[in-house]
Amino acid sequence: KQEVTQIPAALSVPEGENLVLNCSFTDSAIYNLQWFRQDPGKGLTSLLLIQSSQREQTSGRLNASLDKSSGRSTLYIAASQPGDSATYLCAVYNAGNMLTFGGGTRLMVKP
Amino acid sequence: DAGVIQSPRHEVTEMGQEVTLRCKPISGHNSLFWYRQTMMRGLELLIYFNNNVPIDDSGMPEDRFSAKMPNASFSTLKIQPSEPRDSAVYFCASSLMGRTGELFFGEGSRLTVL
Repeated sequence: KQEVTQIPAALSVPEGENLVLNCSFTDSAIYNLQWFRQDPGKGLTSLLLIQSSQREQTSGRLNASLDKSSGRSTLYIAASQPGDSATYLCAVYNAGNMLTFGGGTRLMVKP
Repeated sequence: DAGVIQSPRHEVTEMGQEVTLRCKPISGHNSLFWYRQTMMRGLELLIYFNNNVPIDDSGMPEDRFSAKMPNASFSTLKIQPSEPRDSAVYFCASSLMGRTGELFFGEGSRLTVL
């Protein structure tokens, strides 16, 4: 059974810092991996989707990498802003046709 | 595009009552998912439809839960009878390519069962 872990569970940084969020998964036979953002009381907003054949995806200040062999993905946020404060979740689609979510990292960017 | 639309946004009901949650997926998407989110268990997949056909309902907690997708633009999740432990946020999501496509979520329906 696929297990997805996100570390740290919570993170607080001052505005302007570059930061890295981590996602690890136990079954490397994945189709793709998706990063989401969730604001309090809201749904999940898709940030980046990385296909299994890709190594990374970039969107603005966000860069997500994928290393299937080691079962890891990172979400890099450059020059963090208070508006980046949210919970970030990663989800993997694996060969068992299942989508598994991590527990999320709650990010607070202080002005 | 309006995105995935869910209703109601909030529902407060008493134990034993029937609850119906509704979802309109993004036009053109062929897959629809119902999730439940709680603090204790995070996001749980309840059921997945592809081309209006239920593919995987292994996450449906028990017989009190049922889901239908009568056409490509509408789905319902029904709980009958509801119990306090059903209190959660229920999300609907849709995608274009089955489970390997990018997933788009609605804003969720927050259910409180008293």
